[in-house]
Amino acid sequence: TQLLEQSPQFLSIQEGENLTVYCNSSSVFSSLQWYRQEPGEGPVLLVTVVTGGEVKKLKRLTFQFGDARKDSSLHITAAQPGDTGLYLCAGTYNFNKFYFGSGTKLNVKP
Amino acid sequence: KAGVTQTPRYLIKTRGQQVTLSCSPISGHRSVSWYQQTPGQGLQFLFEYFSETQRNKGNFPGRFSGRQFSNSRSEMNVSTLELGDSALYLCASSQEREQFFGPGTRLTVL
Repeated sequence: TQLLEQSPQFLSIQEGENLTVYCNSSSVFSSLQWYRQEPGEGPVLLVTVVTGGEVKKLKRLTFQFGDARKDSSLHITAAQPGDTGLYLCAGTYNFNKFYFGSGTKLNVKP
Repeated sequence: KAGVTQTPRYLIKTRGQQVTLSCSPISGHRSVSWYQQTPGQGLQFLFEYFSETQRNKGNFPGRFSGRQFSNSRSEMNVSTLELGDSALYLCASSQEREQFFGPGTRLTVL
């Protein structure tokens, strides 16, 4: 059983559409991170959220940490083919060990 | 600053052999973690080293071992390889709240 559940598992959309990816847990985390990974490469850190209710924006990407620090969401506005990849969330209690969700595979068609 | 480097990038071995993978963390980072990534299981935590000591360990058999040197570089060893060990092995170095991944080593066991 995964400590962090991500949904949806797969998402295929047209360029220009909006989408939201969710990361849920029954555990309270000290911080939560989002990564994007392309095939055959390592995950690239997008953002770290620490405070409950925190919202961070990275261009067209908006990240939110739940008030109770158990869940997070990633919203992409006007998706582009370059957003295609595997999106992973990871939570940590003590910054020594990180627990990963199973990921959301996003495909943005031109 | 240079990122996390991993060598080799690709490796082909046969069952029963052993393999050693290497990871050089970002300069100044003292924590190095190792992960195994497979399509079926996602990202699974192997172990984490800090200042040459294993600080955290995942649920992998004793065939998987690691070590960290005084310069923070780390190695991971897998003995008596099995077909199921075929995976992308990722190393991540971390400082404070964030971890950064290397490009990974793709291991294929035939």
